This record gives sequence, structure tokens and C-alpha cells, in this order.
Amino acid sequence: DIQMTQSPSTLSASVGDRVTITCRASQSISSWLAWYQQKPGKAPKLLIYKASNLEGGVPSRFSGSGSGTEFTLTISSLQPDDFATYYCQQYDTYWTFGQGTKVEIK
Amino acid sequence: EVQLVQSGAEVKKPGESLKISCKGSGYSFTTYWIGWVRQMPGKGLEWMGIIYPGDSDTRYSPSFQGQVTISADKSITTAYLQWSSLKASDTAIYYCARQAKGGGNYYDAVDYWGQGTLVTVSS
Repeated sequence: DIQMTQSPSTLSASVGDRVTITCRASQSISSWLAWYQQKPGKAPKLLIYKASNLEGGVPSRFSGSGSGTEFTLTISSLQPDDFATYYCQQYDTYWTFGQGTKVEIK
Repeated sequence: EVQLVQSGAEVKKPGESLKISCKGSGYSFTTYWIGWVRQMPGKGLEWMGIIYPGDSDTRYSPSFQGQVTISADKSITTAYLQWSSLKASDTAIYYCARQAKGGGNYYDAVDYWGQGTLVTVSS
């Protein structure tokens, strides 16, 4: 099984901050990685697919990078609507999600 | 408009059986894989399995193989997740999720999610 490890588990930040979340795969997954945002009581929402492709309608302050085993999600300037939990997901072989990163208000 | 509409919340006792549903609309139901994802209270997302409604080809996560059954009825564009004997540890929100396609890999990201079904198992 492919394991996904996100860091940090929790991140405290202020509006306007640049935020970076890291996701590591236990083996190479090429660029088959997605990022999701989940708010309390809601289903996850796709932000980024194939490591760096922005899903339609997602603000350009979100960006993704990486390939192989190391990936990052960056929010260039954190907005009030961005406080949420973020998950990475590999889809090289089946699906595996990272354990999540909660972005909270500092 | 693509929609995945899940059945309502359930409260069950340990040992009881349960089947929850996910009705797809607004797209060709038989040509997209549908996955199921568990989210235990306060925890992260866990992939359970996936089904291709066109031919009912089904794959399970090793963690859930033998614990649940995934099925689909393409005549009514509905996917199902069922348990034969629930445990308290099955208490969670269950999401159905449509796998996107055309990305160049056999598997793909999730482009649409159902609203989730809360299953509570308690004596």
C-alpha cells in the first residue's frame, strides 16, 4: 500500500500569510496527486489535481508542486475563507489520503 | 449539473445490517468510477473501495475487504455501500465520490462528492 504523510498536522497562521503544506508518498507516484479542502460539516472540495493543475473555479492563490514522492500545497496569501483542513490524495494506485492539515487562525 | 445525492442519516444497533445509497445524476453514470470514503468522528479520510457501474468491476481497500460490500444498480444510477453486521467502530460519515477521468491514469482525483451519510452504531 502507498502511504501518504502530511506535515504539519496543524498550522496556525494569519490572514495574508503565505502557507505551505507538505505531503510525502512512501513510493513514487509520479504526479498523481490531488489536494482537497474540507470545512466542518462539508464534503471535501478538489483544489489541485495532477500535482499542479488548478481545478476550475479555485482561486489562483492556491498552487501545487512536486513529483515523485514530495509535494507541496501553497496558499500565497491566506484569506478568511481558507481556514479549513487540507488533505492530499495519491491516485497512482487506488486512492490514499494523507492524515490532513488543519489551518487555524493564529 | 452533476449531483451525487446520498441517503439520510442512520442509527443502528451493533449486529444489525445496513445499506446506504448514492444516486448519481447529470452525467453518464455507467462511465465513471464511484468510490466510497469513510470519515470517523474528528478524523481524516479513508478510502474504502471503488466500483465501475458500467460492469460492476469493484476494488476494495485491504482495510475494508470483507467488511463491507459495494454494489451499483445502473438502471437507477445508484451505488450502494452495505454492512451485514455493524460494529460500534463503524460509526462515521460515509461519502460517495465520483472519480474524474481523462487525466491519463487508470485512477484519478475526485471531482464530485456526495453530501455524506452519517451512520451511528450504538447499543
